[in-house]
Amino acid sequence: QVQLVESGGGVVQPGGSLRLSCAASGFTFSSYGMHWVRQAPGKGLEWVAFIRYDGSNKYYADSVKGRFTISRDNSKNTLYLQMNSLRAEDTAVYYCAKDHGIAARRNYYYYMDVWGKGTTVTVSS
Amino acid sequence: IQLTQSPSFLSASVGDRVTITCRASQGISSYLAWYQQKPGKAPKLLIYAASTLQSGVPSRFSGSGSGTEFTLTISSLQPEDFATYYCQQLNSYPKVTFGPGTKVDIK
Repeated sequence: QVQLVESGGGVVQPGGSLRLSCAASGFTFSSYGMHWVRQAPGKGLEWVAFIRYDGSNKYYADSVKGRFTISRDNSKNTLYLQMNSLRAEDTAVYYCAKDHGIAARRNYYYYMDVWGKGTTVTVSS
Repeated sequence: IQLTQSPSFLSASVGDRVTITCRASQGISSYLAWYQQKPGKAPKLLIYAASTLQSGVPSRFSGSGSGTEFTLTISSLQPEDFATYYCQQLNSYPKVTFGPGTKVDIK
């Protein structure tokens, strides 16, 4: 079945680094863009980053630009998020999500149709 | 593009008809999706393109609207529907944003 499994979360000090991974299975990973979305404790969802299916283009939320890097290895069916210069406000559950687009009503619509269970990142001294 | 949701919280009973509103700070055509999230779980896609039901989602869920105002309706609330609901705009895809969420609780 279609599945995304995140890993790599943990406790890190402010200013530290962490790399998250998202292992994909059950679909042709190399054909789809992928997102990272996070959720701080007791808060709503915040989009973090997106990478196109072939890694050719990457996009970031202003809150993480210059500190986080999204990447992928299509040969390993794995998505990554390298997080540097971590701050307390980066504390959150991080989800990877599969992007999907569909043509309908003469337009093209996108959405996130598959999500992982998330991995928790805690930035604290 | 900013999204607001109303109400932020609602208390309802099983069998009630529930409507959640999502408003965008500027027109987003029909580039809107709705997600359901239960405590400790990942979000689940309910509706995309403002009104298209995702495969496998019960037909008691429906979405409507375009431009700046959208609604998610649950025609007859079931016990498994108590959750938080988020709208998401994809007009600025891939840099998307989510609404602040509406928590649906048991009365």
